[in-house]
Amino acid sequence: NAGVTQTPKFQVLKTGQSMTLQCAQDMNHNSMYWYRQDPGMGLRLIYYSASEGTTDKGEVPNGYNVSRLNKREFSLRLESAAPSQTSVYFCASIGWDTEAFFGQGTRLTVV
Amino acid sequence: KQEVTQIPAALSVPEGENLVLNCSFTDSAIYNLQWFRQDPGKGLTSLLLIQSSQREQTSGRLNASLDKSSGRSTLYIAASQPGDSATYLCAVTSSGYSTLTFGKGTMLLVSP
Repeated sequence: NAGVTQTPKFQVLKTGQSMTLQCAQDMNHNSMYWYRQDPGMGLRLIYYSASEGTTDKGEVPNGYNVSRLNKREFSLRLESAAPSQTSVYFCASIGWDTEAFFGQGTRLTVV
Repeated sequence: KQEVTQIPAALSVPEGENLVLNCSFTDSAIYNLQWFRQDPGKGLTSLLLIQSSQREQTSGRLNASLDKSSGRSTLYIAASQPGDSATYLCAVTSSGYSTLTFGKGTMLLVSP
């Protein structure tokens, strides 16, 4: 099925550990996004990539890095995880004049 | 900075009622507006996309309207069903940007 695939679905990290969240879309969309969702805060944009080869900071980029590996893949890296990064992370992609498609999310807990 | 507000934050209705969810945005220079549905523990599913030049979009029992000049959109759900229970989110793409700004959502509970 066409869509956005995120891995892993769940992850527990210790403070200071690093990890990469993977995202891939098979709809040939140019734009891809990483959001975090926290209770009471809604969805907040971390980073986005408007096209292959470009990335830009969103509202809450501190503590994160991203890589647009190719048109299909957009990864999010936590270099040194902190408890404040405990959240649900969503990847999304958007084509030209189309609706946004979201992955199923990664539930990350940092202890 | 674009800000999106959704009212009410939560809504509980009996099955069969028609209901309206509201979304407002501060900057009327938008490219499009989308309504999403999110079930607990799941990702977001796009329900309706309204381009800035459009007034409304319909899909089944759902109808979304857009008044760009006043910075408002409404999602109308006809003959609500328990399966409609979910959180509904509104998001706008501002002109000149390629990012979505979300409201905090309306949590809907439809009881049998």
